[in-house]
Amino acid sequence: AIQMTQSPSSLSASVGDRVTITCRASQGIRNELGWYQQNPGKAPKLLIYAASILHSGVPSRFSGSGSGTDFTLTISSLQPEDFATYYCLHDHTYPLTFGEGTKVEIK
Amino acid sequence: EVQLVESGGGLVQPGGSLRLSCAASGFRFSSFWMSWVRQAPGKGLEWVANIKHDGSEKYYVDSVKGRFTISRDNAKNSVDLQMNSLRGEDTAVYYCARGEDGYYYYMDVWGKGTAVIVSS
Repeated sequence: AIQMTQSPSSLSASVGDRVTITCRASQGIRNELGWYQQNPGKAPKLLIYAASILHSGVPSRFSGSGSGTDFTLTISSLQPEDFATYYCLHDHTYPLTFGEGTKVEIK
Repeated sequence: EVQLVESGGGLVQPGGSLRLSCAASGFRFSSFWMSWVRQAPGKGLEWVANIKHDGSEKYYVDSVKGRFTISRDNAKNSVDLQMNSLRGEDTAVYYCARGEDGYYYYMDVWGKGTAVIVSS
């Protein structure tokens, strides 16, 4: 199975900060990767698919990039509602696997 | 409104069985793949199973193969997860999600989840 490694596992940031989360696949997955946001006690929400395509309704401060094995999720200006945990998920082959998650906390 | 509502969770003894259901509304259910994703307490997300629009293809994470079965009823707009031989490590919140499967597979609509506790 393809392993997805996210870093950092957590970070502290302030409102307005630029935040970058990385996800590395154990083998090449082209651009077959999505990003999900999860608030505590809530269901995940899709942010980005195909590594860089913003899902409908997602604010433009979110962006994704990467291909092959290395991917990034960037939040250009952190907003209060963005403090959450973020997961990458590859859809290259079965089994699908999530990264371990990155918790974005308030500094 | 597009909606997924899970049901069927609860407390079950190790070795026991449970059947989860997910009721879909607000969209053409028979046109979409469906997924189950779980989250153990305090842990990350784990994809569990996928089923194709017509039920002709099913995929599972290795840890549940031979124990869990995903199925769907397009006439009733529902997808189920039959869980047998349950273990403590199956304790989790189980989410149902709608899958978009063009070239890329992504889950764009999620239910609120149903909790499964496997304990004696």
